[in-house]
Amino acid sequence: AQSVAQPEDQVNVAEGNPLTVKCTYSVSGNPYLFWYVQYPNRGLQFLLKYITGDNLVKGSYGFEAEFNKSQTSFHLKKPSALVSDSALYFCAVRDIGDRDDKIIFGKGTRLHILP
Amino acid sequence: NAGVTQTPKFQVLKTGQSMTLQCAQDMNHNSMYWYRQDPGMGLRLIYYSASEGTTDKGEVPNGYNVSRLNKREFSLRLESAAPSQTSVYFCASSIPDRRPYGYTFGSGTRLTVV
Repeated sequence: AQSVAQPEDQVNVAEGNPLTVKCTYSVSGNPYLFWYVQYPNRGLQFLLKYITGDNLVKGSYGFEAEFNKSQTSFHLKKPSALVSDSALYFCAVRDIGDRDDKIIFGKGTRLHILP
Repeated sequence: NAGVTQTPKFQVLKTGQSMTLQCAQDMNHNSMYWYRQDPGMGLRLIYYSASEGTTDKGEVPNGYNVSRLNKREFSLRLESAAPSQTSVYFCASSIPDRRPYGYTFGSGTRLTVV
């Protein structure tokens, strides 16, 4: 069964500094990997995905993520944080072999960008 | 605007009452999903429907039933609500037979059972 771990409940970063939100995954086969963001009282919004190819994936709002197969990680990064990046971030995984397209989500990491 | 629409947005139920959460998508997606979101637990899959006419259990199906009414609509029913079902419920849809775009989510239903 697939699973996702986000080891940090909360990450605090000063505005303008680089940020990293960590994610590791476990699947029986090869993974599709996703990052979603949730702003207060809103649904989840898609940020980026890794399907195949280049290990560095670029997404919305200047975010990027690096797929590392040997470490089974998919950390979310941004070179320079904005206060508006403060939100709840979810990493998610789908096994490529799952024809039902079930996506399993991590527990989320709350990102606080300090002015 | 195209997307996933959930109704109602808020609901308060008494223990033992029943209700149905409605979800509709207008993107011609094949698959639909119901998740619940609880603090510190992330999103947990309740039920999903890979295609019209099929439904399957997810991680936490107990206490819920679903109906895939047609390709557009996927409802979630609580037959006898319990305080443990207080949560935010999200519906999502996707096209599994194409390279995955990930899910499109509705804006959620905040349910309180007292």
